Order: sequence, then C-alpha cells, then structure tokens
Amino acid sequence: ETGVTQSPTHLIKTRGQQVTLRCSSQSGHNTVSWYQQALGQGPQFIFQYYREEENGRGNFPPRFSGLQFPNYSSELNVNALELDDSALYLCASSRKRDSQETQYFGPGTRLLVL
Amino acid sequence: AQTVTQSQPEMSVQEAETVTLSCTYDTSENNYYLFWYKQPPSRQMILVIRQEAYKQQNATENRFSVNFQKAAKSFSLKISDSQLGDTAMYFCAFMRGGNQFYFGTGTSLTVIP
Repeated sequence: ETGVTQSPTHLIKTRGQQVTLRCSSQSGHNTVSWYQQALGQGPQFIFQYYREEENGRGNFPPRFSGLQFPNYSSELNVNALELDDSALYLCASSRKRDSQETQYFGPGTRLLVL
Repeated sequence: AQTVTQSQPEMSVQEAETVTLSCTYDTSENNYYLFWYKQPPSRQMILVIRQEAYKQQNATENRFSVNFQKAAKSFSLKISDSQLGDTAMYFCAFMRGGNQFYFGTGTSLTVIP
C-alpha cells in the first residue's frame, strides 16, 4: 500500500448537488495532486496543492476547487455536479513541489452522478 | 502540450513469458521523467518503474525494465517471467517540472495461466 487514503470509497449524488472528497497524504509529503479518471481512460490532472496553496491547474472549470490543510490532508470540492463528473477521483501525494519526486496514489473515490 | 500515447488497449501473455508494452510521448521539454504505473482491479495505482530523461541507462526493477529511446520519444515496458499478479491496467506517464502527470489511456494486460 502507498500510505495515501481517501474517503469515501463510493458516493452517489444527483445533478446540481455539491460533493467533497477527502485525501490523507503519506507521512512527510507536502504536495497533493488530484486527478479525474473516467471509465476506460487515464487519469486527468485537476490541480495540485503545495503547502496549502494551489500550484497548478489542469483544464477543469472553477466549480472544481480544493483545499490543503496544515497537516497536508486535502479536499476536492465539486459544485453544481454534472453527469459527466461521474468518475474515479484519485489523489496523489509527493514530498516536494519542484523536485521530481514520485507521486503515491490513493485508492480513489468512485463518484456517480445521477 | 504534452501527450502520451499507448497504442495497445489490450494485451495478453502466457505465465512465465515476456511481454512488452509500448508508449510514445510528445514534448518539447528536455528534462522530464517517465513512469509506468500499474492499476490492479482494486484500483490503487502502484509505481512500477521510473526513468529520468537525462539518464541514458535504461531503468530496471526486478522483472521490469524499460527501453527508453529519447530521440524517438519512446518508452516501452518489458515484463519478464510474467506472473498472474501482473494482470492489471498499465499506464505510461510523463512528468515535467511542477509534478503534473500526463497519462496515456492505458494497456490492459492479462496473464494467462
């Protein structure tokens, strides 16, 4: 196991609702990245947080937002859910922002939007 | 923009045999990292092997090795002595400065007993 945990494991929401997903980083890691993995696809980068600040964002609308806390745990918030938001959401933690440290992935949260 | 292409959606191999998964990428960067990740049916992505672009020597990790051809922008994964536990989705990933990964669409590998 990678030491990265995510909650919940599964979630069902309806269109228009809001959702919060949580990630606990591996000990000693100060950077967390979030990815969306649609069925049958590779993960797509949503954004990254380093020391509680956003440090890069992929091609996702502003209704995808995040937080990183002093203990380096993290949240992904998605507002105004759409059907296409149904996916596996992965978080990955790493040790530094600018070094090429390996990212360690959590098991993911499977989100279904009805 | 960086792109990663895995042209083999599905592959199979007999147990104990060798299989090679292909990956090509496109970038204008000179310094970057390449990875192979494994995603078993339980979903958690696990690092298989990593290669620094500035290193000419191909990375090796036990039964896993890569063939890194920088000029051709090719990064294939060879699995020797395939085991049933190798059955998984394999993703090739590219990373440049800033830790953002770009993933391919994956290759589903099945090891046949």
